[in-house]
Amino acid sequence: GESVGLHLPTLSVQEGDNSIINCAYSNSASDYFIWYKQESGKGPQFIIDIRSNMDKRQGQRVTVLLNKTVKHLSLQIAATQPGDSAVYFCAEMQGGYQKVTFGTGTKLQVIP
Amino acid sequence: DAGVIQSPRHEVTEMGQEVTLRCKPISGHNSLFWYRQTMMRGLELLIYFNNNVPIDDSGMPEDRFSAKMPNASFSTLKIQPSEPRDSAVYFCASSLAVNQPQHFGDGTRLSIL
Repeated sequence: GESVGLHLPTLSVQEGDNSIINCAYSNSASDYFIWYKQESGKGPQFIIDIRSNMDKRQGQRVTVLLNKTVKHLSLQIAATQPGDSAVYFCAEMQGGYQKVTFGTGTKLQVIP
Repeated sequence: DAGVIQSPRHEVTEMGQEVTLRCKPISGHNSLFWYRQTMMRGLELLIYFNNNVPIDDSGMPEDRFSAKMPNASFSTLKIQPSEPRDSAVYFCASSLAVNQPQHFGDGTRLSIL
């Protein structure tokens, strides 16, 4: 039969609105988390990271929230712009190791 | 500053041929990673190196795949012989140290006919 690819959840947001992309991570021992943005035809691009001793970190127009109790990570993008359209991946890493486990990704579509 | 540089950007070849993908990490980064991305399986780690030494190659699919890092500024991923199921985008990434973010190149899109 025909192979079925990964189904990427899609978030559609009006330009200027805020976006929230969610991620459930798998390993309770993970203590370092990263958000990546991947545009078509390009490699994943680092956006922001957070370590497990924090629950919130802010960058330029982006905020990452970490809830270790429920193993949940979110990325908030303020005033979403057309250039934010991409696939966003969360990634987790366990301290002392360098193997990164990537989520399946969320596609963000910005409606002009 | 130059990021991770990969070559070629695209490769199309017939099954059975040898394929060599190349990567130049960011200068000063001591860890290098090879990933494969497909629609079916997403982003998978194949192998990574610390200070030019392979640390974990458990993600390498089979013996047809091999990777080398002869020096701090160059790595290759080789597939011999190639098969159609190897078709994917292959990414190289580097990081400054343990528990630092990995920075990716723009990948090699490989098509095996």
